[in-house]
Amino acid sequence: EAQVTQNPRYLITVTGKKLTVTCSQNMNHEYMSWYRQDPGLGLRQIYYSMNVEVTDKGDVPEGYKVSRKEKRNFPLILESPSPNQTSLYFCASSGAGQGMGNQPQHFGDGTRLSIL
Amino acid sequence: GQNIDQPTEMTATEGAIVQINCTYQTSGFNGLFWYQQHAGEAPTFLSYNVLDGLEEKGRFSSFLSRSKGYSYLLLKELQMKDSASYLCAVRDRIGGGADGLTFGKGTHLIIQP
Repeated sequence: EAQVTQNPRYLITVTGKKLTVTCSQNMNHEYMSWYRQDPGLGLRQIYYSMNVEVTDKGDVPEGYKVSRKEKRNFPLILESPSPNQTSLYFCASSGAGQGMGNQPQHFGDGTRLSIL
Repeated sequence: GQNIDQPTEMTATEGAIVQINCTYQTSGFNGLFWYQQHAGEAPTFLSYNVLDGLEEKGRFSSFLSRSKGYSYLLLKELQMKDSASYLCAVRDRIGGGADGLTFGKGTHLIIQP
C-alpha cells in the first residue's frame, strides 16, 4: 500500500530535549516536505527536499533541521525544542513528473508534538 | 510571496450544493490543488487545476480562472461526512519552496441535517 509513515504519532516532551520525527515513503517520490499546522494559521512549510542530499528552507524553518540521506526518508529534527514548537506536524511526498505540476502531495497521518 | 484567501467557515444543508471560493496572488503559477481534511487527520487530495475551466470528479468539481487568480470548489448532494476543512493550495516557484505548495488557511464546512 502506497503511504507516508510518520513516527511517533504523539509525543509529549520537555524544553531542550532533542527529538526526531521520522518520515518514510514507499512511493519512490523525489519530493518530500514537512509542514506544521496551527489553529488559525493553516499549514506552513518548514523544510522541503527535491531529492537525495538536496534540502531547502520553507516558510518557517527556524528551530528545525532536516536531512535526506536516502530517497525514502526525511526526518525532522528539533535540536532544542521550545514550547512554541508545540504543533501538529505533517510529512508529505510527491513525484517529480512534468516538474511536479500535476503531482498531488501525499500526507502522512501527522505527529502531534507537545513541548512543555 | 503568496497570498491565498478563502472563507474561514461555511454552513450548508445536507443534500444541497455549496461553493467554496479561493483567491490567490502569486509570482508564478504551476497549478492549484484542493484538499479535504477531517479534524485531526491528514489532508487528502481532491482536485487539481492548471488550465482555466472546470474539472469534474463525481460530486466534487473545481474551477480555475488564472487571469482572475480565482478558484472554487463545488460540492453537490452534500452528505454529513463532507463536514471537514477544505484547503486551497497553490504551487509556484517562489515562496513555500521552489515547486512547493503554499496553503490557504482552510475553510471549515459544517453540514447541517
